[in-house]
Amino acid sequence: AQKITQTQPGMFVQEKEAVTLDCTYDTSDQSYGLFWYKQPSSGEMIFLIYQGSYDEQNATEGRYSLNFQKARKSANLVISASQLGDSAMYFCAMRSYNNNDMRFGAGTRLTVKP
Amino acid sequence: EAQVTQNPRYLITVTGKKLTVTCSQNMNHEYMSWYRQDPGLGLRQIYYSMNVEVTDKGDVPEGYKVSRKEKRNFPLILESPSPNQTSLYFCASSQSGTSGYEQYFGPGTRLTVT
Repeated sequence: AQKITQTQPGMFVQEKEAVTLDCTYDTSDQSYGLFWYKQPSSGEMIFLIYQGSYDEQNATEGRYSLNFQKARKSANLVISASQLGDSAMYFCAMRSYNNNDMRFGAGTRLTVKP
Repeated sequence: EAQVTQNPRYLITVTGKKLTVTCSQNMNHEYMSWYRQDPGLGLRQIYYSMNVEVTDKGDVPEGYKVSRKEKRNFPLILESPSPNQTSLYFCASSQSGTSGYEQYFGPGTRLTVT
């Protein structure tokens, strides 16, 4: 079964610095997608970035980039120039395109310090 | 406005009293899904639906039922709720379940079973 591991329960970063949130996954499928979501204290889930298993280039969306290393089965989220509003819970998720289910990691709570 | 709505947002109930949490989306999405969020466990998929009349079990389906009679609606039914179903529930939808479309989440329903 697919599994997502986020090994950092909590992270701190200084405002304006870059931070990397780790995500590793376990799957025997060849076709899958990787997602990152942000959950601020208000509770809503906000989509950040997507990477397909066959995409050769790392995905980028504004200040977010995904460091995809397929052989190592890792999909780390990099946030550049952190802002106070980036303080939130971040979830890594994977969707298998063979069975269409979606798995989430336990999340990493990021705190941006002024 | 494109959105996923859930009702109720908050619910306190007693063990064994059947309840339904409604979910509706106005984006003509094919894929809909239910998750529960518990501290330290991230989001876990309960059921998902690839289209009308097509539903499948996710990671934690025990104690839940769903139906998809219309494309826009995907209610979650707890026939006999128990205290271990106390959780934050999210409904989500995406254009398709077979590719990299992100999921749009509802605002969440906080359920307490006493």
